[in-house]
Amino acid sequence: DTAVSQTPKYLVTQMGNDKSIKCEQNLGHDTMYWYKQDSKKFLKIMFSYNNKELIINETVPNRFSPKSPDKAHLNLHINSLELGDSAVYFCASSQASSGANVLTFGAGSRLTVL
Amino acid sequence: AQSVTQLGSHVSVSEGALVLLRCNYSSSVPPYLFWYVQYPNQGLQLLLKYTSAATLVKGINGFEAEFKKSETSFHLTKPSAHMSDAAEYFCAVSVLPSYGKLTFGQGTILTVHP
Repeated sequence: DTAVSQTPKYLVTQMGNDKSIKCEQNLGHDTMYWYKQDSKKFLKIMFSYNNKELIINETVPNRFSPKSPDKAHLNLHINSLELGDSAVYFCASSQASSGANVLTFGAGSRLTVL
Repeated sequence: AQSVTQLGSHVSVSEGALVLLRCNYSSSVPPYLFWYVQYPNQGLQLLLKYTSAATLVKGINGFEAEFKKSETSFHLTKPSAHMSDAAEYFCAVSVLPSYGKLTFGQGTILTVHP
């Protein structure tokens, strides 16, 4: 039973296309995140949703639009893809009320923009 | 704002030798500190966390880390390396109420030689 699952695992697409990555967690957590890991393995937060409400938006271009239909899902839609968007995108979740900020990460979605 | 510096992007040890991965942090308020491990093509897995309780924290797979406020350090150690420890290790910091906004270090790749 995967705790945080992301689909697709691999995504190869052309510049200018629009694509989505889906994330689901079955941990009952109230907070979900998207992190981006670039080619140098540097990890940086993009978005965070708590109970479906956007609480962190780290100066990400508005071509990136997260959507949280319910507490268990956080999808990432990317418009007009650029070469620089190539990265591994990690979804994560946590229970904010626990106070310890312990995140559970998914396995990642590797996006390659050609 | 908080930051994390991991000294040494690559560390190589022999099987059975001591593992020491260095992490220094910067934070103006009491931090929460974490070590995550990433195996090839996988997501991040929590090794251990410091959340203002005991300064010596024990984690999974025989790893431990000590929070030293005077040195602003949170180094990761393991007395005896195993081949299966070969992976990339990330130190991360967060402060409340950050809702899971982890600031990661650059990562340290651990290689274990037979």
